[in-house]
Amino acid sequence: QVQLQQAGPRLMKPSQTLSLTCDISGDSVSSNVAAWNWIRQSPSRGLEWLGRIYYRSNWYHQYAVSMKSRILISPDTSKNQFSLHLDSVTPEDTAVYYCVRDGPLGPEMLDYWGQGTLVSVSS
Amino acid sequence: QSVLTQPPSASGTPGQRVTISCSGSYSNVGGHPVCWYQHLPGTAPKLLIYSNDRRPSGVPDRFSGSKSGTSASLTISGLQSEDEASYYCASWDDSLNGQEFGGGTHLTVL
Repeated sequence: QVQLQQAGPRLMKPSQTLSLTCDISGDSVSSNVAAWNWIRQSPSRGLEWLGRIYYRSNWYHQYAVSMKSRILISPDTSKNQFSLHLDSVTPEDTAVYYCVRDGPLGPEMLDYWGQGTLVSVSS
Repeated sequence: QSVLTQPPSASGTPGQRVTISCSGSYSNVGGHPVCWYQHLPGTAPKLLIYSNDRRPSGVPDRFSGSKSGTSASLTISGLQSEDEASYYCASWDDSLNGQEFGGGTHLTVL
């Protein structure tokens, strides 16, 4: 059974860099058939896909157009985890952030979700 | 503004059938499978339907999905109070080269 574990809530100030990590059990961040996503949810914007990484003999990244200039998703194969880094946060980045797996049936099939981390950005 | 369009709200009484629509284009719904997710407050979203009309193990057969052209729909039959939640459609978008979600439909069970 795949499980994704995230840390507790974060309180941040504008202009800081958000860093979140997702611990994977029951699968591998280096899987050749899975990919690893970050998705956020807020009352005003609903669900918003931020980006994904996957390994297919090399590492590949795909990012949402709206995030491209300030997002980085990176793997840590030694710890079997992946991380999100989001630069220059603003109050609009306040949301619950989820790490999510998509499996062999395609990127839209988000089958395993972490429990979510509430990130609040306020001065 | 999402590229997948859903009605913001829907409602029904227990036992009724409710259908939620998801409208897109040929770069997303028209060219890729559609999934549906159920989101209850305080929990992670749950995969309800994948590959347009398939249910993961454990999802009741009251939930069904369909797709035609650039539109998809989720139907809930025999509505129950615990179905009150937000529902999101999702599909890959070739133009944006990314995953797209609909704006979400909040379902109220009256």
